[in-house]
Amino acid sequence: AQSVSQHNHHVILSEAASLELGCNYSYGGTVNLFWYVQYPGQHLQLLLKYFSGDPLVKGIKGFEAEFIKSKFSFNLRKPSVQWSDTAEYFCAVVFSGGYNKLIFGAGTRLAVHP
Amino acid sequence: GAGVSQSPSNKVTEKGKDVELRCDPISGHTALYWYRQSLGQGLEFLIYFQGNSAPDKSGLPSDRFSAERTGGSVSTLTIQRTQQEDSAVYLCASSLEGGKGSEAFFGQGTRLTVV
Repeated sequence: AQSVSQHNHHVILSEAASLELGCNYSYGGTVNLFWYVQYPGQHLQLLLKYFSGDPLVKGIKGFEAEFIKSKFSFNLRKPSVQWSDTAEYFCAVVFSGGYNKLIFGAGTRLAVHP
Repeated sequence: GAGVSQSPSNKVTEKGKDVELRCDPISGHTALYWYRQSLGQGLEFLIYFQGNSAPDKSGLPSDRFSAERTGGSVSTLTIQRTQQEDSAVYLCASSLEGGKGSEAFFGQGTRLTVV
């Protein structure tokens, strides 16, 4: 079955610490990859996406993600987090053979302490 | 409108009652999706519309759930005979087209509580 796994459910960091959130998916075919963020009280917003080309993708607010096809992974990174990065982060995948149906991971709740 | 609009934002209903949740997608977006977000879980796909037809309704959890879309715009998700396990945030998203290159934009969601 097509699935998306996020390994960290809760992450607590201090400001200026580096962040890496893991995301793996189950399928070996062509995929489109996304990271969405949900700030407290707000709707889901797209952070970044990968469709093809350079596997290192840069998104908004200093976030980046690297697609490693051999590992079926799309980990999200940020070198130095800020208190304002406190949010829930969702990895999502569109698997080949269909339309734009996003399959989401369970999400990672990030808390950044000042 | 500027974004995807959902109403109501909050709904409390008694077990066994029917509820209707509404989604107004971004104007011109042909693809529309419903998701459910339960506490501690990710977003669960429910149904996808392309125009007024639903080529994929595989995520609807039971026959108590149904959805329609009219005029290629507004969509309504109906839950009949609600149960406590239906309590969740129901999210609607739309994209310009159903192809994989289109970004999906999400609404704020409707928080449904069944008591």
